[in-house]
Order: sequence, then structure tokens, then C-alpha cells
Amino acid sequence: AAGVIQSPRHLIKEKRETATLKCYPIPRHDTVYWYQQGPGQDPQFLISFYEKMQSDKGSIPDRFSAQQFSDYHSELNMSSLELGDSALYFCASSYSGTGSEQYFGPGTRLTVT
Amino acid sequence: QKEVEQDPGPLSVPEGAIVSLNCTYSNSAFQYFMWYRQYSRKGPELLMYTYSSGNKEDGRFTAQVDKSSKYISLFIRDSQPSDSATYLCAMRVTNAGKSTFGDGTTLTVKP
Repeated sequence: AAGVIQSPRHLIKEKRETATLKCYPIPRHDTVYWYQQGPGQDPQFLISFYEKMQSDKGSIPDRFSAQQFSDYHSELNMSSLELGDSALYFCASSYSGTGSEQYFGPGTRLTVT
Repeated sequence: QKEVEQDPGPLSVPEGAIVSLNCTYSNSAFQYFMWYRQYSRKGPELLMYTYSSGNKEDGRFTAQVDKSSKYISLFIRDSQPSDSATYLCAMRVTNAGKSTFGDGTTLTVKP
């Protein structure tokens, strides 16, 4: 079965650079969620989109922005990167019609040097 | 205090043992309860999903939710070395809302 696709899988950036992470949800899923997971920590919710509109917002820094496109894929844009932004970034998707099953992608490991 | 507290572990058991993983929560509005398994450097894999109170069984896994006590559990029967991973409980208020996770319990099943 198709899963959530994230790209790139690994990304190395320097401080103050920008990064763009992409997420392709499971086909027919209309809701996308972004989570950040630091080393040894649980995933922290950043932001979510339903039908291309922002549906919820968590602890996302102002330096980050995201959007969902007409084909339901989503991009997380991160600017003025800081060392503390180094983490695993997960995208999850779900279909609003069936409920709560959120399926996670493999993640993008961002390292800021 | 976090909204979701999870027994920290780590937990080490012999192969074939019954494993009990537990979470408590403070937000009585949570209605959807999930258990995820996460291998190192991988994305969380959905194991079990339960709506409201009750039990749900899937193979060797049983999820229990007791909303009156704000307590959820995951039981793993006949544990296998391949079950070695970090287990995360997660909860949600609304159908398509954000998930709030516990800190995770790392389980090691020894052959």
C-alpha cells in the first residue's frame, strides 16, 4: 500500500540558511500534519492543513511557514535556521472522512551546522 | 505538567513475556487514543487506534482505554525480539485534530 512520502530524507544546512521539506500524503488523504521530533523526545505538533487550509497550529516558530497545494502535497519552509532546529521532521496524513488514523512518513532528518 | 504522561522505561523483557505499556492523561476532552511503534530513526507506525473507552484486540496486541481513570494501556502478548522499539501513546480531541504524544517507552525483548 502507498505510504506517506517525504523528501529529502536527509538535509544538512548551515545556520541562517533556508530549507524546504516536502510531504506527499497517502492518495485520497486530505489532511496533512507536520511534527518535529528532537533527539530522545516525542513528536511535537507544528501545523496541519485540511483541504489546503490551515486547520491547526502548534508550536511552530514564526521563521517557519507551510502550505498545502491543490494536489494535497505540503511543504514546510524553514528560514534563518538555527542549531536548535536540528531534528527529525515528520509529516502525517489522514482522511477526514474515516477519522483518526494518522499515518506517518519516514521523516526528514535536518542537521543545522 | 505534560498533558500525556507515559511510563518512561526503558523496559527489558525475555522473549515470550507479556508486556504492559501505560499512559495517563489530564485532558478529559481526549476521545481518540493511538499507540505507535517507532524504530530508531524511522517514522512512527500506527499500531492501534481506539475511540473512547473500551478494549481493542489485534493479533498479539490489545489496547485498553479507561476514560474514567484517564488511563490507557497497550498489552503485547508473546513478545518477540522484533517488538523491540519505542512505543508512543498519542491522543486527540477531535476527529482530524493534532495528536499529543507521550514521551515514549523503549522496549527491548531479549531472545
